[in-house]
Amino acid sequence: GENVEQHPSTLSVQEGDSAVIKCTYSDSASNYFPWYKQELGKGPQLIIDIRSNVGEKKDQRIAVTLNKTAKHFSLHITETQPEDSAVYFCAASKGGSGGSYIPTFGRGTSLIVHP
Amino acid sequence: DTGVSQDPRHKITKRGQNVTFRCDPISEHNRLYWYRQTLGQGPEFLTYFQNEAQLEKSRLLSDRFSAERPKGSFSTLEIQRTEQGDSAMYLCASSQTRGGRINEQYFGPGTRLTVT
Repeated sequence: GENVEQHPSTLSVQEGDSAVIKCTYSDSASNYFPWYKQELGKGPQLIIDIRSNVGEKKDQRIAVTLNKTAKHFSLHITETQPEDSAVYFCAASKGGSGGSYIPTFGRGTSLIVHP
Repeated sequence: DTGVSQDPRHKITKRGQNVTFRCDPISEHNRLYWYRQTLGQGPEFLTYFQNEAQLEKSRLLSDRFSAERPKGSFSTLEIQRTEQGDSAMYLCASSQTRGGRINEQYFGPGTRLTVT
């Protein structure tokens, strides 16, 4: 089955700095890669996703890149703010028309943004 | 769009008791997923429904676990004869297979189960 590795497990930055979280996956058939933000006591919140037919996607301060050849994808957060502090999960899944899109999650990165 | 809701938010039970959790998905979503999350880990897939049909179950879903989605709307997850190892956050997510934002899963707040 799919295996997703996520690094680092903890990331501490100063407000205004950039943060980068990296993930690798094992199944070359995976074609959908969402990123989730989870705050304490809450469920994961989808923040951005990328499909295998594109290499990069950006939404304001957040961007995701995908390298299908190397089977890795990354989350980039620019101009970090204290409210960005949370646990971030990457995931990989596969599915075509009618496919299940059941994600395999990484173990998470605890991002701490110091004011 | 009121989001995915789960009830209860917290449940403390004694080993051997049965518990049932409820999930109400986003109204137009036809898929509903259940996950389990333990401390320091990402969510692990348990099972999912498309409308009222249960299409896939994980090996994690032992015989003590059962899930239903009788009318294709809300779902329940029951754990019989709870064990301490069942202590975890149980998360529900929903998605749609048509229209825009296909297959994007939106999670509820979770039910935290503690088995004493």
